[in-house]
Amino acid sequence: QKEVEQDPGPLSVPEGAIVSLNCTYSNSAFQYFMWYRQYSRKGPELLMYTYSSGNKEDGRFTAQVDKSSKYISLFIRDSQPSDSATYLCAMSAGSGYSTLTFGKGTMLLVSP
Amino acid sequence: DTAVSQTPKYLVTQMGNDKSIKCEQNLGHDTMYWYKQDSKKFLKIMFSYNNKELIINETVPNRFSPKSPDKAHLNLHINSLELGDSAVYFCASSQLRTGANEQFFGPGTRLTVL
Repeated sequence: QKEVEQDPGPLSVPEGAIVSLNCTYSNSAFQYFMWYRQYSRKGPELLMYTYSSGNKEDGRFTAQVDKSSKYISLFIRDSQPSDSATYLCAMSAGSGYSTLTFGKGTMLLVSP
Repeated sequence: DTAVSQTPKYLVTQMGNDKSIKCEQNLGHDTMYWYKQDSKKFLKIMFSYNNKELIINETVPNRFSPKSPDKAHLNLHINSLELGDSAVYFCASSQLRTGANEQFFGPGTRLTVL
């Protein structure tokens, strides 16, 4: 079983839809959970991060972590064509020189 | 004001050649990384330097040699390039502390080995 699983998509939605992107993980030591957005031919850009379980909201984006289920989500409200990108989840144990473990990314396509 | 910059952006070369990629960050971070992103978009850590010291060295062929002349720079030298080295290489930086370790990425160097 891979440490972090993420459906590669593509996920196609119409403009204005609510989008749900998800990752599951197997390492119970992970404490910090991040979402990166990567546009085509660009570097990953940090969107938001969450510590442990709970929700975090930033504008149209909401990150949710359920550590008991080892499941994290990113919700995008009122999706826009400019949200079309690949979304990567990343996680770390957060101790010492802990690395980030990335999912493979989900490609999102928002059509006007 | 680019936070993490890489040069070159594109690199096309023949098998067997030696090439270098440079990375600079102006965020004042103490830790820098090299990642490889293959054609399936999987982002895999290769190396990490903290205050010019190598702290992470994943299973990478020893044809790859990182060098950090100072905290703001991390270069990657690749000897005897192979077809399988074709990928996008990303540099990243972070301020390492006990916690999230949020990393900030450069724009990538697209390496094509012919």
